Amino acid sequence: DTGVSQDPRHKITKRGQNVTFRCDPISEHNRLYWYRQTLGQGPEFLTYFQNEAQLEKSRLLSDRFSAERPKGSFSTLEIQRTEQGDSAMYLCASSLEGTSGTYYEQYFGPGTRLTVT
Amino acid sequence: KQEVTQIPAALSVPEGENLVLNCSFTDSAIYNLQWFRQDPGKGLTSLLLIQSSQREQTSGRLNASLDKSSGRSTLYIAASQPGDSATYLCAAADRNQFYFGTGTSLTVIP
Repeated sequence: DTGVSQDPRHKITKRGQNVTFRCDPISEHNRLYWYRQTLGQGPEFLTYFQNEAQLEKSRLLSDRFSAERPKGSFSTLEIQRTEQGDSAMYLCASSLEGTSGTYYEQYFGPGTRLTVT
Repeated sequence: KQEVTQIPAALSVPEGENLVLNCSFTDSAIYNLQWFRQDPGKGLTSLLLIQSSQREQTSGRLNASLDKSSGRSTLYIAASQPGDSATYLCAAADRNQFYFGTGTSLTVIP
């Protein structure tokens, strides 16, 4: 168990370009979450997957954002036509939902810092 | 929508002092509450998770309590050390997501 990993750690892009981030969760975790965090704020929920199914999306996730989790393993978050307001830290977390409906703690990755110039 | 508030926003204490961080939430129908630590520019490190049926959890010098009826949780740090300096975040969970506060920035002065 190597924890949650994210790639890349930093991304600088020009306004209007597309970017894609990857998250590899802890292997046995069935839930995967994406959050966005700006300076001085707590993480804001974007979306989450239960295995390969995307079950919840925040209204923050505009149509320029799309997330996938093929085969219930790693996940990607793509931002199309980036805007300066997209500059933030993008965090991925994973957790385990038990069969009895018990929800276990979330483990976070190191994040991808996006700067849109 | 769940709203999570953390007070104070910043706290500075001398080394060795015991301290309490506060977290309040507006909707008591939570599944669990989790406390995290975040160092500057880094991801979040899980400290303690309290299930909705529990009242408190302990790990080393940390003790977290949960009072769902009043919408409050506290994180108690005993004998603070300079290495405890970080931002502490609480997050209240419903079935689908965690709702975070804006954190308490803690500085422990040697």
